[in-house]
Amino acid sequence: TQLLEQSPQFLSIQEGENLTVYCNSSSVFSSLQWYRQEPGEGPVLLVTVVTGGEVKKLKRLTFQFGDARKDSSLHITAAQPGDTGLYLCAGADDTGGFKTIFGAGTRLFVKA
Amino acid sequence: EAQVTQNPRYLITVTGKKLTVTCSQNMNHEYMSWYRQDPGLGLRQIYYSMNVEVTDKGDVPEGYKVSRKEKRNFPLILESPSPNQTSLYFCASSSSPGQSYEQYFGPGTRLTVT
Repeated sequence: TQLLEQSPQFLSIQEGENLTVYCNSSSVFSSLQWYRQEPGEGPVLLVTVVTGGEVKKLKRLTFQFGDARKDSSLHITAAQPGDTGLYLCAGADDTGGFKTIFGAGTRLFVKA
Repeated sequence: EAQVTQNPRYLITVTGKKLTVTCSQNMNHEYMSWYRQDPGLGLRQIYYSMNVEVTDKGDVPEGYKVSRKEKRNFPLILESPSPNQTSLYFCASSSSPGQSYEQYFGPGTRLTVT
């Protein structure tokens, strides 16, 4: 069974601090997505990484896919209260199907 | 507006009473999927469909059924709900952009089985 271990599970920081969320697995994924979820809503896609070693930037968010396509990280620079939410990583099965594995999520709280 | 809709949004039912949660998407996506979200466990895939009449099990299919008779609809059926199926359910759809599988989620259905 494929697993995606996400860490930390909870993070409470001050506005302006930097943070990194990790997503690790022993399995290879064809792609990995990062989502953000607000209370009472469905997850919303932030980014997809496909190529090993790929780095994508979305304003103050930097996403990286590991060279072996088994892990990923999300780095937020100068966090703001608006970044508060649940961040989820999800890996797409490498066998050509549509099986998707989600990490348990990182709940981020940024204090003003 | 491109969207995934789910109904109902909230449902309280009793053990054993059959129920269906509907899901519809207006983006002409081929791929659709159902997930359940439980505290500390993230989202777990129940079933997915890669096209009309093509469905397959995810990680937690026991106690659930699905059908895909039309491209836009993917209902989730609980033939005999039990309390351990109390959860937050999400439907999602995706186009088939090669390996990306970017998914668009519905607003969720909160189900309580007593």
